[in-house]
Amino acid sequence: DAGITQSPRHKVTETGTPVTLRCHQTENHRYMYWYRQDPGHGLRLIHYSYGVKDTDKGEVSDGYSVSRSKTEDFLLTLESATSSQTSVYFCAISEESLAAALCEQFFGPGTRLTVL
Amino acid sequence: GENVEQHPSTLSVQEGDSAVIKCTYSDSASNYFPWYKQELGKGPQLIIDIRSNVGEKKDQRIAVTLNKTAKHFSLHITETQPEDSAVYFCAASMCSGNTGKLIFGQGTTLQVKP
Repeated sequence: DAGITQSPRHKVTETGTPVTLRCHQTENHRYMYWYRQDPGHGLRLIHYSYGVKDTDKGEVSDGYSVSRSKTEDFLLTLESATSSQTSVYFCAISEESLAAALCEQFFGPGTRLTVL
Repeated sequence: GENVEQHPSTLSVQEGDSAVIKCTYSDSASNYFPWYKQELGKGPQLIIDIRSNVGEKKDQRIAVTLNKTAKHFSLHITETQPEDSAVYFCAASMCSGNTGKLIFGQGTTLQVKP
């Protein structure tokens, strides 16, 4: 999984509680992404980061926030979890070279989150 | 924004046969088209990709073709093996300078029967 770890790998929580998922990389890549995967929807981008403290919204960002205080860590927070946020969450990383924009994204193992 | 449609949603083939998965995209500015393979309980794994300046790319038993005019691209797997069984996702991106946000298709579950 390209030097990417996600924690926790599984989590069950209750509606209304805050949840933070962590993505850690050892590749020193600049870009990091959070996706969610749901049946029939493929993977959808939640937020992404293009550097330390530089983040932006993806297509399904409502209800989520992110932070990146170090190159290696990208945190995804659900301030008040809802049942619609039950999903599998994947982190991805990519790098940009000087020769050409490297678009390849490499994914972590995922976190399965259940909100009851 | 970009929209990617993927077909079929499920595909069952006999071992040794070929499998073809097709995707269409809507944004003519997209210039990067990767394919991912996802095994049960794992993250998606990049297996092949193609950029808009290339019409076809091959890597052993897998190949990808791109038709920019029609805005569609396809994954071809030849001589399928049981270990090819997985979910396959296509994606499209306008990869440039700042970032390459991927828009994914809905996925195809491929079953290769021994």
